Amino acid sequence: EAGVAQSPRYKIIEKRQSVAFWCNPISGHATLYWYQQILGQGPKLLIQFQNNGVVDDSQLPKDRFSAERLKGVDSTLKIQPAKLEDSAVYLCASSLEESGSWANVLTFGAGSRLTVL
Amino acid sequence: DQQVKQNSPSLSVQEGRISILNCDYTNSMFDYFLWYKKYPAEGPTFLISISSIKDKNEDGRFTVFLNKSAKHLSLHIVPSQPGDSAVYFCAASALGAGKSTFGDGTTLTVKP
Repeated sequence: EAGVAQSPRYKIIEKRQSVAFWCNPISGHATLYWYQQILGQGPKLLIQFQNNGVVDDSQLPKDRFSAERLKGVDSTLKIQPAKLEDSAVYLCASSLEESGSWANVLTFGAGSRLTVL
Repeated sequence: DQQVKQNSPSLSVQEGRISILNCDYTNSMFDYFLWYKKYPAEGPTFLISISSIKDKNEDGRFTVFLNKSAKHLSLHIVPSQPGDSAVYFCAASALGAGKSTFGDGTTLTVKP
């Protein structure tokens, strides 16, 4: 089966500019996650979708970050305006369903590396 | 407040020997634990998991041990191979909740 697709793979922007990342999860996976991974740290959850509804966005900096999941499939994560500390890899992941042990196993995309200058 | 901690940023072992990666957690609500492996320029990939009703789970060369009273888990790789060189992330979640909390990773280097 095809994996989780993300684009772009790399993006360099100036601070205060905006950027958008796109994710296409594995077909049939109901739950989609965006994680932020800063260099030297583990992935940190930004937002979790179940189909096209938000399950958890408590760690999303809502003054500058926004995310949507169109029709319960693709998702876009936007940052506007970007700050230097937003430099990180943005990982999209999906899982099969909300309940049951297999729901906890995430399949990650390769990530989108953002550099803010 | 880091709920999942991997206190060793790096580990180096000789090929054929055992690699032991450790992880500690603080949240008593966690009842499902996972290890992911990450190569450079790739996303993490699932390796092995264990639920809190077990204290050991084995899959080929990989074994995860869970000590609930100590809130500690470990990943054993035996024998270690050069292809195992990667960053290993420990993750914890509440069963069925989906989202996982990750540690900061341990970089394993297996020397030929």
